[in-house]
Amino acid sequence: EAGVVQSPRYKIIEKKQPVAFWCNPISGHNTLYWYLQNLGQGPELLIRYENEEAVDDSQLPKDRFSAERLKGVDSTLKIQPAELGDSAVYLCASSPSGALDYEQYFGPGTRLTVT
Amino acid sequence: AQSVSQHNHHVILSEAASLELGCNYSYGGTVNLFWYVQYPGQHLQLLLKYFSGDPLVKGIKGFEAEFIKSKFSFNLRKPSVQWSDTAEYFCAVRQANAGNMLTFGGGTRLMVKP
Repeated sequence: EAGVVQSPRYKIIEKKQPVAFWCNPISGHNTLYWYLQNLGQGPELLIRYENEEAVDDSQLPKDRFSAERLKGVDSTLKIQPAELGDSAVYLCASSPSGALDYEQYFGPGTRLTVT
Repeated sequence: AQSVSQHNHHVILSEAASLELGCNYSYGGTVNLFWYVQYPGQHLQLLLKYFSGDPLVKGIKGFEAEFIKSKFSFNLRKPSVQWSDTAEYFCAVRQANAGNMLTFGGGTRLMVKP
């Protein structure tokens, strides 16, 4: 079974530039999450999708961050414009909806460096 | 708001030493508890989880964790570590009836010397 796929794995951009990250969850997983992981810290949830609906985006900085999951499968997270403080690892995870075990499966992440 | 504390940020052990990593959380209601591991260059993987029942949970690779409700703790243990256990370990908590939302601790970086 293929795991959660993320691309790119690494991205270096200058501040004020836009950037986008892509995630393809495990097949059949209706719930998709985007997390932010700063260096030396644990992941922090940015947004959670149930199918194509964003059900929790309270931690997403909406002035510069946006996300979409148009067909309820893969998802894109965008930052525009990027700031130096956005340098971090962006993780995508997925889980089956309604599953009793609530395990989240993580992708390898995209490491963003803003210069 | 829910918070999860991992007090040991860095731990260095020799092979065959015993391991215990602390995890404490702040939520007073029903919780589900998880330990994830991230090996160098790899993605986060689930080590073990607690939902209900026996508070002593056994996971993969010889790890176990004990849920002590009165102490709001879910410490990770392994009797004898191996060099291959070198990784970063994250405790995570999910409040029951709060959707599948995890709150992670800051992580503990374990280095096992051969």
